[in-house]
Amino acid sequence: EVQLVQSGAEVKKPGESLKISCKGSGYSFTSYWIGWVRQMPGKGLEWMGIIYPGDSDTRYSPSFQGQVTISADKSISTAYLQWSSLKASDTAMYYCVRSGYVVWGKGTTVTVSS
Amino acid sequence: DVVMTQSPLSLPVTLGQPASISCRSSQSLVHSDGNTYLNWFQQRPGQSPRRLIYKVSNRDSGVPDRFSGSGSGTDFTLKISRVEAEDVGVYYCMQGTHWLWTFGQGTKVEIK
Repeated sequence: EVQLVQSGAEVKKPGESLKISCKGSGYSFTSYWIGWVRQMPGKGLEWMGIIYPGDSDTRYSPSFQGQVTISADKSISTAYLQWSSLKASDTAMYYCVRSGYVVWGKGTTVTVSS
Repeated sequence: DVVMTQSPLSLPVTLGQPASISCRSSQSLVHSDGNTYLNWFQQRPGQSPRRLIYKVSNRDSGVPDRFSGSGSGTDFTLKISRVEAEDVGVYYCMQGTHWLWTFGQGTKVEIK
């Protein structure tokens, strides 16, 4: 079965760092782009960026460039989304999705609060 | 960036009645390869989005045939021929032709 399994919910304080993960299985991880999508509470879907694990080619939305880092470790079929200094406004659900947009992770809830 | 504009943003529908959602893009979604990468997604409460339609009018596997997509260029429509209770949720159009891929604002479908 093709699936993306995301890491669990996180509760952090402003200024802390965070790295969440998305592990692919059931397909060739290096052959498909993985994207990250943000959904703030009660709001719509926003593309943050995409990565091609085969060569680590990465593209960011201008809205998220410099705010997050997207990476991948193809040896363990896992993509990552990380923050060096969280803000309260980073509170959201984060989804990973495989190119083709059919395979989605269940989402990781990130809550940033003092 | 390509701006995707959906209307209406809220759509109360009577069970068994049709529903229609419009999606307009700020520029043509025809790719240089000749395809139009316009997708429709359904997001039920508490769930991840699910793709219903790809390349304007192709239904994904398992999607009921009461869902249909149409359109071309910059103007697209998702239709539900007879709304059922399980169709409640938010529907998004999304273009995959131009990077940055972009979603519409979402249309909330609810039962009257």
